[in-house]
Amino acid sequence: DAGVIQSPRHEVTEMGQEVTLRCKPISGHDYLFWYRQTMMRGLELLIYFNNNVPIDDSGMPEDRFSAKMPNASFSTLKIQPSEPRDSAVYFCASSFRTGGSQPQHFGDGTRLSIL
Amino acid sequence: SQQGEEDPQALSIQEGENATMNCSYKTSINNLQWYRQNSGRGLVHLILIRSNEREKHSGRLRVTLDTSKKSSSLLITASRAADTASYFCATPFGGNTDKLIFGTGTRLQVFP
Repeated sequence: DAGVIQSPRHEVTEMGQEVTLRCKPISGHDYLFWYRQTMMRGLELLIYFNNNVPIDDSGMPEDRFSAKMPNASFSTLKIQPSEPRDSAVYFCASSFRTGGSQPQHFGDGTRLSIL
Repeated sequence: SQQGEEDPQALSIQEGENATMNCSYKTSINNLQWYRQNSGRGLVHLILIRSNEREKHSGRLRVTLDTSKKSSSLLITASRAADTASYFCATPFGGNTDKLIFGTGTRLQVFP
């Protein structure tokens, strides 16, 4: 299997611009998670989906962040407008059946830098 | 706030030595997972131990779980330079078995 695929791997953009991060989960996985990793706050769960439906978005920091999962093989995380404090590595992960009692499979992340 | 706290934060050893990392958590759990993260890469699942298990092995990895002390340890035996990475424990968040909360991580450096 190809694993979880994220794009782009790196993104550098100026403050105020819209940023869209993309994720393709492992085929057959019914849970998808978006995380953000920073030195200060570690790995934080932003939002997760089950069968393409958002279940918990309590980790989304502000209304500037939004996530969608239009089908089982694709999800996006959008930041609009972006700010320098959004700079982080964003990970997508997927799992089968449940995210807390089964292994989660992570992509290699998108390193986002907002200037 | 993080559920798991790893100890030590950083560990440096020579190849061939054993590495032990500890994880403490706050609430009751039904399982605990360990992940590895190589520099610039995503997390990779290593092992899952359920609350009714006390010890689990996978190759050179040995994980223990003490639910009475709310702690777990990860032992890597006969370490190799390729084991250099950050290691995280993760537990389900409260009563929600869908979500994982990750600890702060232990950065392991194995010198050849």
